[in-house]
Amino acid sequence: DAGITQSPRHKVTETGTPVTLRCHQTENHRYMYWYRQDPGHGLRLIHYSYGVKDTDKGEVSDGYSVSRSKTEDFLLTLESATSSQTSVYFCAISASESFSMNTEAFFGQGTRLTVV
Amino acid sequence: SQKIEQNSEALNIQEGKTATLTCNYTNYSPAYLQWYRQDPGRGPVFLLLIRENEKEKRKERLKVTFDTTLKQSLFHITASQPADSATYLCALDRAGGGNKLTFGTGTQLKVEL
Repeated sequence: DAGITQSPRHKVTETGTPVTLRCHQTENHRYMYWYRQDPGHGLRLIHYSYGVKDTDKGEVSDGYSVSRSKTEDFLLTLESATSSQTSVYFCAISASESFSMNTEAFFGQGTRLTVV
Repeated sequence: SQKIEQNSEALNIQEGKTATLTCNYTNYSPAYLQWYRQDPGRGPVFLLLIRENEKEKRKERLKVTFDTTLKQSLFHITASQPADSATYLCALDRAGGGNKLTFGTGTQLKVEL
């Protein structure tokens, strides 16, 4: 298995509180991604990173921010959690060396977040 | 808007038969198409990648086809086994897309003895 770890694995939080999810990789891959998975929607891209301090928005970025200060860590923050952000969050990494190179993605085990 | 459709109904087949899963897309011009397997409570696991200029790709018991005219990919598992039971996801990316995958909702496959 690719060296990718998400923490926490499960979290219950209250509406309006900030939440940070962590993704840690040991593969030294350049590209990292955060997806959320909801019934009927499949996996949707929230944010991605193509290098340290280089990040960009995905399809469903509203209400989320990210940071990447080191190659190995990619943090996803919900500034003020809402019930609509209850979901399973997956981090992924890719060995792509450029935007023109498409390769397989390796996914973490997921974080189940419940906002009550 | 772009749309990727996979059969939302579960596919039940008998052990030893060939399972065929479909991925259709609209309003999209993918350069790459990938298939993943996902087991309950786990993250997706990569299976196969096929490029737009490739018609077919094989890996062991798996075969993927990619028809850009029909805007469709077919995923085949031959000699299916109960261990193949899982949800299968297709994912697309554009040329120069940076591996920002757009996923279908997945098809659940159940292989029965």
